[in-house]
Amino acid sequence: GIQVEQSPPDLILQEGANSTLRCNFSDSVNNLQWFHQNPWGQLINLFYIPSGTKQNGRLSATTVATERYSLLYISSSQTTDSGVYFCAVERQTGANNLFFGTGTRLTVIP
Amino acid sequence: DAGVIQSPRHEVTEMGQEVTLRCKPISGHNSLFWYRQTMMRGLELLIYFNNNVPIDDSGMPEDRFSAKMPNASFSTLKIQPSEPRDSAVYFCASSLELAGFNEQYFGPGTRLTVT
Repeated sequence: GIQVEQSPPDLILQEGANSTLRCNFSDSVNNLQWFHQNPWGQLINLFYIPSGTKQNGRLSATTVATERYSLLYISSSQTTDSGVYFCAVERQTGANNLFFGTGTRLTVIP
Repeated sequence: DAGVIQSPRHEVTEMGQEVTLRCKPISGHNSLFWYRQTMMRGLELLIYFNNNVPIDDSGMPEDRFSAKMPNASFSTLKIQPSEPRDSAVYFCASSLELAGFNEQYFGPGTRLTVT
């Protein structure tokens, strides 16, 4: 399969701080998605970003497919941002399922 | 629009019993995925259907697990007999695969506990 590594594994932020989460992957991909798993366990789509840069409010993401990494930026963090952030990729060859990283657990404290 | 619907949300059963998990994908989507999340292994694919046909079931742990998709609106994942190591959160996801575009949307999951 494809290896997906996320860093850091854990992150604690003061409310209002900014952060960058990183996702490295070991092979060429067709697609890449970022998810937020909230404290209730729900997986929420943040970005579908096989390449380029996208922004949605306080969140933005950049994928550099040729260098096999993606970054998720969180600005002005809020306590509701707490949870686990997953990067998931779809390989260029084979079935169209997603391979997930191990996640970054973010805790935002007031 | 309704998202991916899964039932039940929680299931507690005794070892040896049969368990059936259900999923209704987003209307119009042509691909459906079953994933399992555990602390030890994270999120991993069990089986993937495209246009109701199983394409990749290499993630199905063993013969105790089976999945069906009788039509575009419904899929089941069955475990018979269940074992304590099957305890996990089971997610169903769907997508509209179109010219390389394949954004997956996840249901709320079924938390299975086998005692």
